[in-house]
Amino acid sequence: DGGITQSPKYLFRKEGQNVTLSCEQNLNHDAMYWYRQDPGQGLRLIYYSQIVNDFQKGDIAEGYSVSREKKESFPLTVTSAQKNPTAFYLCASSARAGTDSYEQYFGPGTRLTVT
Amino acid sequence: GNSVTQMEGPVTLSEEAFLTINCTYTATGYPSLFWYVQYPGEGLQLLLKATKADDKGSNKGFEATYRKETTSFHLEKGSVQVSDSAVYFCALKAYNNNDMRFGAGTRLTVKP
Repeated sequence: DGGITQSPKYLFRKEGQNVTLSCEQNLNHDAMYWYRQDPGQGLRLIYYSQIVNDFQKGDIAEGYSVSREKKESFPLTVTSAQKNPTAFYLCASSARAGTDSYEQYFGPGTRLTVT
Repeated sequence: GNSVTQMEGPVTLSEEAFLTINCTYTATGYPSLFWYVQYPGEGLQLLLKATKADDKGSNKGFEATYRKETTSFHLEKGSVQVSDSAVYFCALKAYNNNDMRFGAGTRLTVKP
């Protein structure tokens, strides 16, 4: 089955620690995205990548970092500089812009709690 | 820039009631429009989409029509079920741009 996996589903960290969230897709999609969702709110874009070894900041990139060394993988690091990291993090992928099927497909999410 | 506005929730309905969730958009050019659904603790699932004016997207009894003249993409279902309880997101995406914009989401609760 093709899809997007995120691990772990729940993650707990102490304040001041960096933490990396995993996202893997086997849909052969060029583009991948990271969103943050806070309770009762919509999705806010953190970073996106349209091709391997390239990525751009989204609306709320401060305190986060990403890498895109492989087409299938787009890990997100939440650094200690992120002031309010507790949230639900969603990874998504899509075909490249300009193709017919470019809707985004989402993983199941990782709920990060920092205390 | 591109943006989506959807009706605020929460929306509470009785089973078999008619559902409408309003969505309007602002965009340059001709975006594609989407409805996603999110069940508790899960990611978003694509519910339906429409890629050009007057297209009607439909799935699982839900439908929405791309109305360019009113810049709207309202979600409707004739008879909701308890299992439809979820958060619904309207979204748009420009054709040659990977940037997808989401509405704030509307929480629907259906009571038996």
